[in-house]
Amino acid sequence: ETGVTQSPTHLIKTRGQQVTLRCSSQSGHNTVSWYQQALGQGPQFIFQYYREEENGRGNFPPRFSGLQFPNYSSELNVNALELDDSALYLCASSFQPGGGYTFGSGTRLTVV
Amino acid sequence: AQSVSQHNHHVILSEAASLELGCNYSYGGTVNLFWYVQYPGQHLQLLLKYFSGDPLVKGIKGFEAEFIKSKFSFNLRKPSVQWSDTAEYFCAVHAGSGNTGKLIFGQGTTLQVKP
Repeated sequence: ETGVTQSPTHLIKTRGQQVTLRCSSQSGHNTVSWYQQALGQGPQFIFQYYREEENGRGNFPPRFSGLQFPNYSSELNVNALELDDSALYLCASSFQPGGGYTFGSGTRLTVV
Repeated sequence: AQSVSQHNHHVILSEAASLELGCNYSYGGTVNLFWYVQYPGQHLQLLLKYFSGDPLVKGIKGFEAEFIKSKFSFNLRKPSVQWSDTAEYFCAVHAGSGNTGKLIFGQGTTLQVKP
């Protein structure tokens, strides 16, 4: 079985720019969620998609948005980047909401 | 608001010592509970999970955890740690019902095992 793959692995952006991060879910999984992990912290839930609809959201502003496609892959978009957005962004997929989540290796975003 | 609290930020043990990492959560509804491990330079991996049934769950690599509903706790244990258990450990709770909800993580515990 394939795992969760994320791209790119590393990214450097300038404050105010926009970024799109991508995630391919594990085969057979219809649920995908995104997390932001700052250094030395646990992952913070951004949002979750189930069958192409957002069904849960954490305390992140609207400039964090996402999509889930019919093949259950997903994108995380962040507009108007701020320095504090620098973090590791993790994608996780599951066979159902609340099930065991498989995590990708993450995208390290640096905003300068 | 839902939250997950891990009692220790940094634990140092010698090989063969016993391990117990505390985890408490605040949420009054139905929860699914998880422990994840992150080895140096690797991605998060699922150690074990609890959905329902026997509150004592066994995971990979000799780890186990006990769900105590009355205490809102889900502590992780291992009778005898190895150097290779050096890693970051995260407790997580899925709070919500039906197809909604979110996975909430604790702040993590760094385990260092001395050979």
